[in-house]
Amino acid sequence: DAMVIQNPRYQVTQFGKPVTLSCSQTLNHNVMYWYQQKSSQAPKLLFHYYDKDFNNEADTPDNFQSRRPNTSFCFLDIRSPGLGDAAMYLCATSSRQGVMDTQYFGPGTRLTVL
Amino acid sequence: AQKVTQAQTEISVVEKEDVTLDCVYETRDTTYYLFWYKQPPSGELVFLIRRNSFDEQNEISGRYSWNFQKSTSSFNFTITASQVVDSAVYFCALSEAQVNDMRFGAGTRLTVKP
Repeated sequence: DAMVIQNPRYQVTQFGKPVTLSCSQTLNHNVMYWYQQKSSQAPKLLFHYYDKDFNNEADTPDNFQSRRPNTSFCFLDIRSPGLGDAAMYLCATSSRQGVMDTQYFGPGTRLTVL
Repeated sequence: AQKVTQAQTEISVVEKEDVTLDCVYETRDTTYYLFWYKQPPSGELVFLIRRNSFDEQNEISGRYSWNFQKSTSSFNFTITASQVVDSAVYFCALSEAQVNDMRFGAGTRLTVKP
């Protein structure tokens, strides 16, 4: 089945220790997104890639970076995680075909910062 | 600016009851898209439905139905004969055409008790 995969599902890191979260997709979609979702809140868009074009949200901290080495993979790098970065990180994809397409989400990675 | 309001923070029903989740949106665009997603305890956001602003037909899918009314800027979601497996957080979301930025409401936590 075509899908969006996130690894790991649970990640524990230490305050200030860089961490990378991974997302892959078999949908061959052009667009990949990263969202941050804190407890009992709605998902918040951090950035997205349209093919190789990176689009950062204005209020995304510099501490968050992303890489998309190919169509299938996208990574979220948190350079120096703080306690406030503990959250669920959701990856999503969509296939932009001239109209707003549905975003399909992966299962998420729950990040704990000690 | 686009905005989505889900006024019901939490709803609790007993199995087999019908339940309606409200969603009210604001946008200046004439072309936009509305979505509902389900987020079970596992964390994955599951796509339920997409509606464009030119299609006000109501939709039914099994026990799920959606009522889209442009006159009141509402896109309500009804679950008929609720089941315990329907327990989840439900998000309504809005996206304007040409802007790949989906805005979520705060979510409604539905608990269905046996």
